[in-house]
Amino acid sequence: QKEVEQDPGPLSVPEGAIVSLNCTYSNSAFQYFMWYRQYSRKGPELLMYTYSSGNKEDGRFTAQVDKSSKYISLFIRDSQPSDSATYLCAMIRSRTSYDKVIFGPGTSLSVIP
Amino acid sequence: DVKVTQSSRYLVKRTGEKVFLECVQDMDHENMFWYRQDPGLGLRLIYFSYDVKMKEKGDIPEGYSVSREKKERFSLILESASTNQTSMYLCASSFVSEQFFGPGTRLTVL
Repeated sequence: QKEVEQDPGPLSVPEGAIVSLNCTYSNSAFQYFMWYRQYSRKGPELLMYTYSSGNKEDGRFTAQVDKSSKYISLFIRDSQPSDSATYLCAMIRSRTSYDKVIFGPGTSLSVIP
Repeated sequence: DVKVTQSSRYLVKRTGEKVFLECVQDMDHENMFWYRQDPGLGLRLIYFSYDVKMKEKGDIPEGYSVSREKKERFSLILESASTNQTSMYLCASSFVSEQFFGPGTRLTVL
């Protein structure tokens, strides 16, 4: 079983839809969770960063962590064609320099105008 | 803003050539990383470095080496390129856990 699993998609939605992107993980020691967005032929860029369970909102984006279920989500409201990208979840046990970040394989999202 | 730059966006090399990929960051980050990214396999860590002249193997170090002579610069070396090293190579830097990525180098080995 992989440490972090993510539905690869592709996910295709109409403009304006609410998008839900999800990751499951197996290691209960993970405490810090990140979402990266990667446009085609570019490097990933950090989108959201959350600690432990709960929600965090940033504009149209909401990150949700449920540690009891080992499940994290990224919601995108009022999706735009510019949101079309691959979204990678990532997680780490402790926020120190010496711990390894584990990335999910990414979900490809297309928002159709 | 953190800036991570990579020496080439696209590179084409022949089997057996020695290949150098360079990465430079401008935020005085201690930590630097090299990944490769392949469809269906996601990001795989090749090597990382927590300090100058220090390196640690990642998950797939075979066929690669690295060099970190200065804090801002981290180089990935393919000693003898092979076709199975055709991939997207991504460099990242971080202070703690949040990693900042460069634009990537798409390497094709013929």
